[in-house]
Amino acid sequence: QSLLTQSPSASGTPGQTVTISCSGSISNVGTNAVNWYQQLPGTAPKLLIYNNNQRPSGVPDRFSGSKSGTSASLAISGLQSEDEADYYCAAWGDILKGPVFGGGTRLTVL
Amino acid sequence: QLQLQESGPGLVKPSGTLSLTCSVSGDSINNRSYYWAWIRQPPGKGLEWIGTIYHSGNTFYNPSLKSRVTIYAYTSRNEFSLKLSSVTAADTAKYYCASGDYTNYYYYNYGLGVWGQGTTVNVSS
Repeated sequence: QSLLTQSPSASGTPGQTVTISCSGSISNVGTNAVNWYQQLPGTAPKLLIYNNNQRPSGVPDRFSGSKSGTSASLAISGLQSEDEADYYCAAWGDILKGPVFGGGTRLTVL
Repeated sequence: QLQLQESGPGLVKPSGTLSLTCSVSGDSINNRSYYWAWIRQPPGKGLEWIGTIYHSGNTFYNPSLKSRVTIYAYTSRNEFSLKLSSVTAADTAKYYCASGDYTNYYYYNYGLGVWGQGTTVNVSS
């Protein structure tokens, strides 16, 4: 089961800003940074945000991350049709000694 | 550029052992800059961490799978492997190998930056 909680779905229209939330506990999100992964249909996950708010090279600045306490958020501004994907948050679990994932949020671009 | 590629049988019988290999190209598996992991995704579900192997040879496994999992690194072949024993239908999933940057003290905050394309394993008689 997922130890980080995400809403199962989110949606928006092109050009809008959408926010996806992620909730954890003191032993994961509360203590460690949050990473976000984007999984386009039929493909492997791709690291989208690391260390709460850093973007790997090549990730557009339309994607931004933030964290406060035991919760984190991924914001996507200027929504585009190609952003339609599953988004997963993850954080290191101090007890698990490995990454803990959220259940994923399916983003639909209307 | 680091690339990963999973391989192994797509069908395993219940109670059998699932064996997968991740071939590493573009750099050496001995490079201390990386650590290596296995992640799985059951059909229509989310991601689950299976385990991690470090350059030191140390391994860490998800407690929910620990009694059944072994991860090895084969430096001469530049690959690492996953073995999962006593499989059931619940182990049917797409299995991914991935790597992370180990150059920072807080490496775990930097995520898994390189993933293989994944390989589907069905557990069925």
